[in-house]
Amino acid sequence: EVQLVESGGGLVQPGGSLRLSCAASGFTFSSYWMSWVRQAPGKGLEWVANIKPDGSAKYYEDSVKGRFTISRDNAKNSLYLQMNSLRAEDTAVYYCARLTRDPWSFDLWGRGTLVTVSS
Amino acid sequence: QSVVTQAPSASGTPGQMVTITCSGGSSNIGTYSVNWYRQFPGTAPKLLIYSDNQRPSGVPDRFSGSKSGTSASLAISGLQSEDEADYYCAAWDASLNGPVFGGGTKLTVL
Repeated sequence: EVQLVESGGGLVQPGGSLRLSCAASGFTFSSYWMSWVRQAPGKGLEWVANIKPDGSAKYYEDSVKGRFTISRDNAKNSLYLQMNSLRAEDTAVYYCARLTRDPWSFDLWGRGTLVTVSS
Repeated sequence: QSVVTQAPSASGTPGQMVTITCSGGSSNIGTYSVNWYRQFPGTAPKLLIYSDNQRPSGVPDRFSGSKSGTSASLAISGLQSEDEADYYCAAWDASLNGPVFGGGTKLTVL
């Protein structure tokens, strides 16, 4: 079955760190760009970061630059998001999404993992 | 505040046609294709329309997309109660090297 499954969410204090994982299955993971998209409670969708199939290029939304790092391990069919210096405004459900290019779209989404930043 | 804007709500009665619009700028909608996503409460978004007007396999032809200049629209004909959901447009943005989402439109079927 083609799917993405996120894990690693939870409650963390402001200033803390968390690492999210996304396990891909059912497709050739190493051929696709991948992304993280988040959704704060009761709010809309917000793109967080992209990574190229071979991991050689990474792009970030401005508010997470310097704090979040996207990475991947193609041998393990896994995508990661290392989140440091977390703030209350980072509280959200974080979705892993497969990104197709030319034309672009997020054509496969995971179910999401909730990150809560609170003291 | 998103650089791509949508009305926060829309409504219609069963059988009607409803149109949801999305307005952006030259760096996003004006240059790149628009996608539409549907999201039911408590679930992940799902691709509804890609490349302005293309439907992925399995999406009924009641859903159609269009684009003109820096605006895009999603039309839903023959409205059904199960169409009640949040709808998001999105376009690639050259300045981000990533996509920008509209704020979302909550569709209510009266």
